[in-house]
Amino acid sequence: AQSVTQLGSHVSVSEGALVLLRCNYSSSVPPYLFWYVQYPNQGLQLLLKYTSAATLVKGINGFEAEFKKSETSFHLTKPSAHMSDAAEYFCAVSGYGGATNKLIFGTGTLLAVQP
Amino acid sequence: NAGVTQTPKFQVLKTGQSMTLQCAQDMNHNSMYWYRQDPGMGLRLIYYSASEGTTDKGEVPNGYNVSRLNKREFSLRLESAAPSQTSVYFCASLFRARNTEAFFGQGTRLTVV
Repeated sequence: AQSVTQLGSHVSVSEGALVLLRCNYSSSVPPYLFWYVQYPNQGLQLLLKYTSAATLVKGINGFEAEFKKSETSFHLTKPSAHMSDAAEYFCAVSGYGGATNKLIFGTGTLLAVQP
Repeated sequence: NAGVTQTPKFQVLKTGQSMTLQCAQDMNHNSMYWYRQDPGMGLRLIYYSASEGTTDKGEVPNGYNVSRLNKREFSLRLESAAPSQTSVYFCASLFRARNTEAFFGQGTRLTVV
């Protein structure tokens, strides 16, 4: 079975401050991990994805995430927040093949950026 | 290239009515998914289809049925709508291979009164 836990349903940062959104996963098979962003009244857009090739993954808009197997974590960071980063962020996990083909999402973290 | 297209975008139903949400993708993806999004609960998987001809239950399948009509189309049916099914529904598709990105439709906002 696979699951994702996102700590903090709401996170508020000041413009220019570090963004840290937390994601922990559970998977019975090697996981594939994703971060998606959702702007108001829109569908989801991929920010970045974990491939087994590198533990530090860089995505769009200056975001990156680090896969830590020992901590079962895949936290999302951005060094300096911008007003346009205000959105809801979702962590997701899937496995490859068979019953692990499900794509399971966390409950989301709403990021607010204060001027 | 339209990507993933969902219809309708908005719908209001009375309790007990039925309806089908349509989803089509033109990316030759083999896996398709239906999710519902509710405040504070993220996206919950209703049903998915790993490949043409197969469907499986997700986390919250009760009250729903699906049909994988062909490789392009995956529909979601509410046989007897209930107010608890008021939600935003998203369809997604991906190529069933390693680390592939899921593409999402724009969503269907359904209200059951």
